[in-house]
Amino acid sequence: EVQLVQSGAGVKKPGESLKIFCQSSGYKFTGHWIGWVRQMPGKGLEWMGIIYPGDSDTRYSPSFQGQVTISADKSISTAYLQWSSLKASDTAMYYCVRTSSGYSFDYWGQGTLVTVSS
Amino acid sequence: EVVMTQSAATLSVSPGERATLSCRASQSVGSNLAWYQQKPGQAPRLLFYGSSTRATGVPARFSGSGSGTEFTLTISSLQSEDFAVYFCQQYSNWPLTFGQGTKVEIK
Repeated sequence: EVQLVQSGAGVKKPGESLKIFCQSSGYKFTGHWIGWVRQMPGKGLEWMGIIYPGDSDTRYSPSFQGQVTISADKSISTAYLQWSSLKASDTAMYYCVRTSSGYSFDYWGQGTLVTVSS
Repeated sequence: EVVMTQSAATLSVSPGERATLSCRASQSVGSNLAWYQQKPGQAPRLLFYGSSTRATGVPARFSGSGSGTEFTLTISSLQSEDFAVYFCQQYSNWPLTFGQGTKVEIK
């Protein structure tokens, strides 16, 4: 069974750093792109970026390029999303997603709620 | 960037009725279009990819169609569990982009 298990919710202060994870199981981790999708409170879905764990090829949405870093550790089948300096506007739910059939997202993690508040 | 536009923010439909949701791309995306369903407090769920290929476990009352710039998701007879928000997503061009969503609510 394919599973994407994400880190728990967290509350951080503006300017702090954060790294959240997405641990995959039930399939060959290096054979599928893994991406991240943001959903701000009460809003729609925004694609942030994607990584191919097999060779670490990474693509970012222009809206998120330079704002976050996506990485993966294939030895533990885990993808990461990190910020070096959080802003209040980063408050959102973040989903990790597995791609299949092109770049559609066939499996979703449960989401990680990040709250940034002073 | 390909802009995806879902024409209705909200669709009010009675149970048992047909619902037709539209999604338009600002340029051709071929058949590289997916639909997702999101219920409150849950992660989205893939319904269709390739515009019309049903994902595993999706009931037959759901159908997807279209190519190029115009796409449609149809729910033939709305059940109570179908009231949710639906998003389209293109994956023909970088960056991948979503429509803003259509909420299907009980009339």
